[in-house]
Amino acid sequence: RKEVEQDPGPFNVPEGATVAFNCTYSNSASQSFFWYRQDCRKEPKLLMSVYSSGNEDGRFTAQLNRASQYISLLIRDSKLSDSATYLCVVKPGAQKLVFGQGTRLTINP
Amino acid sequence: GAVVSQHPSRVICKSGTSVKIECRSLDFQATTMFWYRQFPKKSLMLMATSNEGSKATYEQGVEKDKFLINHASLTLSTLTVTSAHPEDSSFYICSARGPDTQYFGPGTRLTVL
Repeated sequence: RKEVEQDPGPFNVPEGATVAFNCTYSNSASQSFFWYRQDCRKEPKLLMSVYSSGNEDGRFTAQLNRASQYISLLIRDSKLSDSATYLCVVKPGAQKLVFGQGTRLTINP
Repeated sequence: GAVVSQHPSRVICKSGTSVKIECRSLDFQATTMFWYRQFPKKSLMLMATSNEGSKATYEQGVEKDKFLINHASLTLSTLTVTSAHPEDSSFYICSARGPDTQYFGPGTRLTVL
């Protein structure tokens, strides 16, 4: 089983739609969770951290369910500029980050 | 915010040659840097963790004699791909542990002919 699993997509949705991504992780001792965004041929960039209480940043909402080892990202009122690959990232220990395969999202005009 | 640079951004080389990639933290000191590799449409895979002044820790399946890592200062780590082959063609990304999170370099696209 992969340490971090995501639906690779691709997701194609119209502009303005709401889209949700899911991710599961295998290491129950993991303490830190993130969503990163990666544009084509670019490095990943931190979108937001994910907290147990859930957190929101503008149109983006992240949720963590420790019991189910499940992380989600919700994007509301999607924009063309949201087109990218979204990476679920888990930090199982003190050092390294473990990346999911990524979910490719395309927002259509 | 913290910035990490990589050089070169792109390199094309012949099979059998060695290629060195530099990773620098520009406005912070990084005792730990990470090297990742990403094949097309695949996730980032950690290759090794580089600690300043000590030997790098390689992930399982990564040949330490082929991918030489040097972290001689708090702002510079280098990855040398020795005797590169076409299957080493990939996107290599470094990351430096900063004050609050990891910061990624812009990546180096290596093509081995």
